[in-house]
Amino acid sequence: QKEVEQDPGPLSVPEGAIVSLNCTYSNSAFQYFMWYRQYSRKGPELLMYTYSSGNKEDGRFTAQVDKSSKYISLFIRDSQPSDSATYLCANAPGGESGAGSYQLTFGKGTKLSVIP
Amino acid sequence: EPEVTQTPSHQVTQMGQEVILRCVPISNHLYFYWYRQILGQKVEFLVSFYNNEISEKSEIFDDQFSVERPDGSNFTLKIRSTKLEDSAMYFCASSSFSLRDGRSFGSGTRLTVV
Repeated sequence: QKEVEQDPGPLSVPEGAIVSLNCTYSNSAFQYFMWYRQYSRKGPELLMYTYSSGNKEDGRFTAQVDKSSKYISLFIRDSQPSDSATYLCANAPGGESGAGSYQLTFGKGTKLSVIP
Repeated sequence: EPEVTQTPSHQVTQMGQEVILRCVPISNHLYFYWYRQILGQKVEFLVSFYNNEISEKSEIFDDQFSVERPDGSNFTLKIRSTKLEDSAMYFCASSSFSLRDGRSFGSGTRLTVV
């Protein structure tokens, strides 16, 4: 069963706080793990992409994947009011290459508000 | 920066009518997709399209739905006879060959069936 679960929040933090967002999934075939950010009335925008397990850092954002526990995390350091959005985790199965056709399975999203 | 564009941004239609949602994917992308998001629900995959044919589709994508790439730039989703439960945001997306590039999503078309 292709399921991705997220706590929908809302999550409200003060500016400058470290934010932790999490997802769990049930499908062992998932190999690709992504975080998307969605502003109100906009399409999802890719933030982070990870293949298989491990950590990936990009500026203030760190993504972690633990395949043994089927747990995915996104950390935001020094959060800013402009980070206020809904954060969606998305997973896909497949091998390393030629995966353009694989469908993404999204979580419901966590709504984050960063208060100035 | 190139982006996926969708028109119209909002469409209101009567139940039973046909609607066509339009998308212009990023020009050098090879894969095209439609997703939908019912208000308050998850973004759900509908269909992927590659090399002028459907490569994968979900259970949602039944006979009422069809996709087409009528020319070199447009990608359309047709709903033949709309139902109230088709009301949702419909997102078009495109990607290059590798999933590591992610999907580029458009801003969506809000479809309201009355």
